[in-house]
Amino acid sequence: SQQGEEDPQALSIQEGENATMNCSYKTSINNLQWYRQNSGRGLVHLILIRSNEREKHSGRLRVTLDTSKKSSSLLITASRAADTASYFCATDGYGNKLVFGAGTILRVKS
Amino acid sequence: DGGITQSPKYLFRKEGQNVTLSCEQNLNHDAMYWYRQDPGQGLRLIYYSQIVNDFQKGDIAEGYSVSREKKESFPLTVTSAQKNPTAFYLCASSIDNSNQPQHFGDGTRLSIL
Repeated sequence: SQQGEEDPQALSIQEGENATMNCSYKTSINNLQWYRQNSGRGLVHLILIRSNEREKHSGRLRVTLDTSKKSSSLLITASRAADTASYFCATDGYGNKLVFGAGTILRVKS
Repeated sequence: DGGITQSPKYLFRKEGQNVTLSCEQNLNHDAMYWYRQDPGQGLRLIYYSQIVNDFQKGDIAEGYSVSREKKESFPLTVTSAQKNPTAFYLCASSIDNSNQPQHFGDGTRLSIL
């Protein structure tokens, strides 16, 4: 049961450009989370946005949430080569379990 | 440093063999989770435990078993009944089961000999 679906599946940009990834989900949520996964490693939590929040910032990350459209976006500004990773959204629409999307693979070229 | 330790990093299974993946955390978290990740896909929940001596099946529990005898430890056994075990297995924990951020280990990659 995939709750979150990321778009695009893959994204390739130049260092210094901004990267935007989108997540759509199906059921009502309490919160939505974004995670990063470097190749061959575990996931790292980036940011959590609650259903009553519309926007949240953390360093170069900006997350928006539109509950009416059941969608969220993650913006990484001034990207760096070290941002190369897979990015996943996760939602809690199914009780006390997080459900992860298939992820967006971001490649930042230097 | 607090964190989650998974071992081994790589594991090979022979036909008909059960193998156990270790997951230990020193974050004092109540909830622990096991996920399976296949190439190009997201994480699928195998089992989770909200408290010691209690655990629930996730979406793909068939062919797997777990135990939670200690707060710090949540081992996963991949049994011979799991016909397609080749995957990347991730263990995670969270402070409780209220959908707080999860902390992940660095995974175990299981392959079939």
